[in-house]
Amino acid sequence: GENVEQHPSTLSVQEGDSAVIKCTYSDSASNYFPWYKQELGKRPQLIIDIRSNVGEKKDQRIAVTLNKTAKHFSLHITETQPEDSAVYFCAASMGWRGSQGNLIFGKGTKLSVKP
Amino acid sequence: GAGVSQSPSNKVTEKGKDVELRCDPISGHTALYWYRQSLGQGLEFLIYFQGNSAPDKSGLPSDRFSAERTGGSVSTLTIQRTQQEDSAVYLCASSAGFRRSYEQYFGPGTRLTVT
Repeated sequence: GENVEQHPSTLSVQEGDSAVIKCTYSDSASNYFPWYKQELGKRPQLIIDIRSNVGEKKDQRIAVTLNKTAKHFSLHITETQPEDSAVYFCAASMGWRGSQGNLIFGKGTKLSVKP
Repeated sequence: GAGVSQSPSNKVTEKGKDVELRCDPISGHTALYWYRQSLGQGLEFLIYFQGNSAPDKSGLPSDRFSAERTGGSVSTLTIQRTQQEDSAVYLCASSAGFRRSYEQYFGPGTRLTVT
């Protein structure tokens, strides 16, 4: 089955710097890659996603890139702010092929943005 | 509109007892998922319902776990003869479903503690 690896497990940056989190997946049939932000004690919130027919997607300070050949995708946060501090999870899914709409998650990256 | 809701928010039970966890998906969402998040860990897929199709149970860790979805809406996750290793936050998510939307939206979770 699908396996998602996420690095780093912790990341500390200064406010205003950029942060990059990387994930790799194992199954080339995966076609949907969301990123979730989870603050302490809260539910995961979808912040951005990308489908396999697109190489890059951007939403204000957040961008995601996808390399299907290498089977990896990355989250980029620019001009980080203290409120970006949270745990970020990447995930992969085969979307609607058969019954494989469930997400396989990476183990998370704890991002700390220091003022 | 209303998001995904779950009840109870917290549940403490004694080892060996059965528990039922409830999920109310976003109205109109045909796909419903259960995940489990152990302390400081990522999210582990448990079971997936899509419309009237047979559920994908491939993530259930043992036969003590089962889930139902009545009328294509509310779902109940049942854990029989609970064990201490079942202690975790159980998260439910829903999405618009087949060929409509990939995005999964999470509920607040039920924190289960088995003593």
